[in-house]
Amino acid sequence: GAGVSQSPRYKVAKRGQDVALRCDPISGHVSLFWYQQALGQGPEFLTYFQNEAQLDKSGLPSDRFFAERPEGSVSTLKIQRTQQEDSAVYLCASSLGRRRGQGDGYTFGSGTRLTVV
Amino acid sequence: GIQVEQSPPDLILQEGANSTLRCNFSDSVNNLQWFHQNPWGQLINLFYIPSGTKQNGRLSATTVATERYSLLYISSSQTTDSGVYFCAVVGYNFNKFYFGSGTKLNVKP
Repeated sequence: GAGVSQSPRYKVAKRGQDVALRCDPISGHVSLFWYQQALGQGPEFLTYFQNEAQLDKSGLPSDRFFAERPEGSVSTLKIQRTQQEDSAVYLCASSLGRRRGQGDGYTFGSGTRLTVV
Repeated sequence: GIQVEQSPPDLILQEGANSTLRCNFSDSVNNLQWFHQNPWGQLINLFYIPSGTKQNGRLSATTVATERYSLLYISSSQTTDSGVYFCAVVGYNFNKFYFGSGTKLNVKP
């Protein structure tokens, strides 16, 4: 598609439930990022893929968070045993660039708003 | 990481007014983008501007990389300009965005 697509748009989970969030990047984009945005704050980095390789997962807040991109296109962010503090908007972004630190434009998806009750 | 500071945190304008938003960053960068987050949460890319000046309609942006700041100018503001404006940077030794805390703009009719 023309943009980065994320699904579902909204997700309500009961505390302790596992959730899976999907990101379809722009076709051909090598780099894919996940960000977490708490209410009233700027997005914060979670993890980065270059093709299927997860090169940086330093932002994942705990071992309950897991991300994958097995074929180098679609990515899934999984959160196990959700807690209330996981409530946030999860944003996915992709870019064409492959070199570390390369400057080019990033395109963000509309995000998934996760509410844990 | 890179520290990104945006000012002002909140801004209220009357429709038709002009404004300047500022972004300061703590290290050299090879990517700087301004985003507008609309009320539905979508981050819309406004400018990719690691240095220099760009204009797009009523919006323009200038980045002075040597002095580590960027400015976003909004002229003749409209109610549809309301939302949160984020500055985000990527450093030479990183491959991820560091975001500021945003400027929340409210344009009143």
